[in-house]
Amino acid sequence: GENVEQHPSTLSVQEGDSAVIKCTYSDSASNYFPWYKQELGKRPQLIIDIRSNVGEKKDQRIAVTLNKTAKHFSLHITETQPEDSAVYFCAASRGLGTGFQKLVFGTGTRLLVSP
Amino acid sequence: DSGVTQTPKHLITATGQRVTLRCSPRSGDLSVYWYQQSLDQGLQFLIQYYNGEERAKGNILERFSAQQFPDLHSELNLSSLELGDSALYFCASSIRTSGYNEQFFGPGTRLTVL
Repeated sequence: GENVEQHPSTLSVQEGDSAVIKCTYSDSASNYFPWYKQELGKRPQLIIDIRSNVGEKKDQRIAVTLNKTAKHFSLHITETQPEDSAVYFCAASRGLGTGFQKLVFGTGTRLLVSP
Repeated sequence: DSGVTQTPKHLITATGQRVTLRCSPRSGDLSVYWYQQSLDQGLQFLIQYYNGEERAKGNILERFSAQQFPDLHSELNLSSLELGDSALYFCASSIRTSGYNEQFFGPGTRLTVL
């Protein structure tokens, strides 16, 4: 079945450093790859996503890259700030018309940014 | 605020009891998804409804059931509750007009079973 692996499970960085979280997926029919940020006890919030027709997308300090051949995608956060501390989940999904479009989530990365 | 609402925010009950969690999707969204998140765990997909019909099931126990009503709100029913059912329950909604499964999550219901 579908599977998404996410690494690392925890990541500690100093304020101002960059952070990179990596995910690999198994379903080659996946074409949508969102990233969610979840603060303690709160809802997962969609922070950025990438679709299979592009290789990279950037939004201010965050960027995502996608390598469809290798079936992996990554989240890059530059100039990290303490408020970036949270759990980050990657996910993958098939596109419309390909049957059941379930978001398959990775296991999460706990990011801690120290001042 | 994602536009997805869930009630109640907190629920404390005893083992063996039955509870109902409610979710209202964003205006115009036809799909509702339910997820369970146990302490320090990932998001486990339970079930999806699309325009009133069950579309897919994930790791949902037989003691759990859900439905989506004509006004598109959804309810998740949990019965014969066990201690291990204590968790955060999220619903998410999506419209998928773009063809992509963009899901927006509600604030969640924290269920505590004593």
